[in-house]
Amino acid sequence: GESVGLHLPTLSVQEGDNSIINCAYSNSASDYFIWYKQESGKGPQFIIDIRSNMDKRQGQRVTVLLNKTVKHLSLQIAATQPGDSAVYFCAENRDRLTGGGNKLTFGTGTQLKVEL
Amino acid sequence: DVKVTQSSRYLVKRTGEKVFLECVQDMDHENMFWYRQDPGLGLRLIYFSYDVKMKEKGDIPEGYSVSREKKERFSLILESASTNQTSMYLCASNDYYGYTFGSGTRLTVV
Repeated sequence: GESVGLHLPTLSVQEGDNSIINCAYSNSASDYFIWYKQESGKGPQFIIDIRSNMDKRQGQRVTVLLNKTVKHLSLQIAATQPGDSAVYFCAENRDRLTGGGNKLTFGTGTQLKVEL
Repeated sequence: DVKVTQSSRYLVKRTGEKVFLECVQDMDHENMFWYRQDPGLGLRLIYFSYDVKMKEKGDIPEGYSVSREKKERFSLILESASTNQTSMYLCASNDYYGYTFGSGTRLTVV
């Protein structure tokens, strides 16, 4: 069946290094993708999004890359800091809701650990 | 900023109890969602609602029901709690694309 998945459940990086978190999706019709960050004890928080008519989008210290050919999404975090330690989820809008808006499907998440 | 508030951070309930999880959002969003989050399984959609009194089943609705009597409030109901419903429950709302999540309710059923 269709899925949104992540390649690695855990990623460990040294403070100051760049982090790359990957995500694969299988629904060619998805046209919107979001990355969320979830810190311990909190709900997921929006980081950055990208629409399918774009290949790259940059935010503050974060970049999302979208490769529609291979249905792959990545989140790059520059100069990773201890505060970046969290679980990161990708999500795709698989379905439209009757009343407007989208129903997102989430991946299983990658735990990012920043080592000092 | 949109706020999504879940009434309880931690709950412990007994098997067979009827459990209510409450969620309130303050930005007049049309859509509201209930997810459960389990290790290795990510976020799985239980139910969602796109309008008052409207509801639709998500991917894992069995054992749950919902109520949306007012636009800002979306309640998740466990009719008869079971141990396999021990989980983190997340409520979210959105008006078009982005979701805003509550902080979650960690429910333990003993």
